[in-house]
Amino acid sequence: DGGITQSPKYLFRKEGQNVTLSCEQNLNHDAMYWYRQDPGQGLRLIYYSQIVNDFQKGDIAEGYSVSREKKESFPLTVTSAQKNPTAFYLCASSIEVGRHGQPQHFGDGTRLSIL
Amino acid sequence: EDKVVQSPLSLVVHEGDTVTLNCSYEVTNFRSLLWYKQEKKAPTFLFMLTSSGIEKKSGRLSSILDKKELFSILNITATQTGDSAVYLCALTGTYKYIFGTGTRLKVLA
Repeated sequence: DGGITQSPKYLFRKEGQNVTLSCEQNLNHDAMYWYRQDPGQGLRLIYYSQIVNDFQKGDIAEGYSVSREKKESFPLTVTSAQKNPTAFYLCASSIEVGRHGQPQHFGDGTRLSIL
Repeated sequence: EDKVVQSPLSLVVHEGDTVTLNCSYEVTNFRSLLWYKQEKKAPTFLFMLTSSGIEKKSGRLSSILDKKELFSILNITATQTGDSAVYLCALTGTYKYIFGTGTRLKVLA
């Protein structure tokens, strides 16, 4: 089955620690995205990537970093600089970055909490 | 600035009721408007709207777009408890997707 796999489902971070959230897709999509969702708020864009070895900051990139070394993979690192990391993180992919308005496909999310 | 505003923020109805969810927007370079349903995890795609006045329909759900007045509505008829979810509206502009805050719908048995 084609889809997006995020892991882990739950993650706990200690103060001063970097953690990495995994996102893998087998849909052969060029574009991938990371969103943060807080209670009562919509999805806010952290980073997106249109193609391998290229990525762009979204609206709330501070305290996060990404890489795109393979088409299938777009890991997100939450660094110690992100002071309020507790949230639900969603990874998504699409055929291309919104150019023709095609919908995104989403993973099941990772819930990150601070210990 | 591109933005999407959804209303109401939350809604509680009884099974069998009909609901209308609203999404208004401002965007440069409109490509499409998307509706998603989010239960506990991944948002699932419902409709993609690109042209005004053409209703999209799937079972008890339907949606329509008005590009002149810059809004869309999502209708759910004969609601069921399984319709309880957050409904997200998103716009595709120039190389980005812009999401509203969502409408939380709760359907009581």
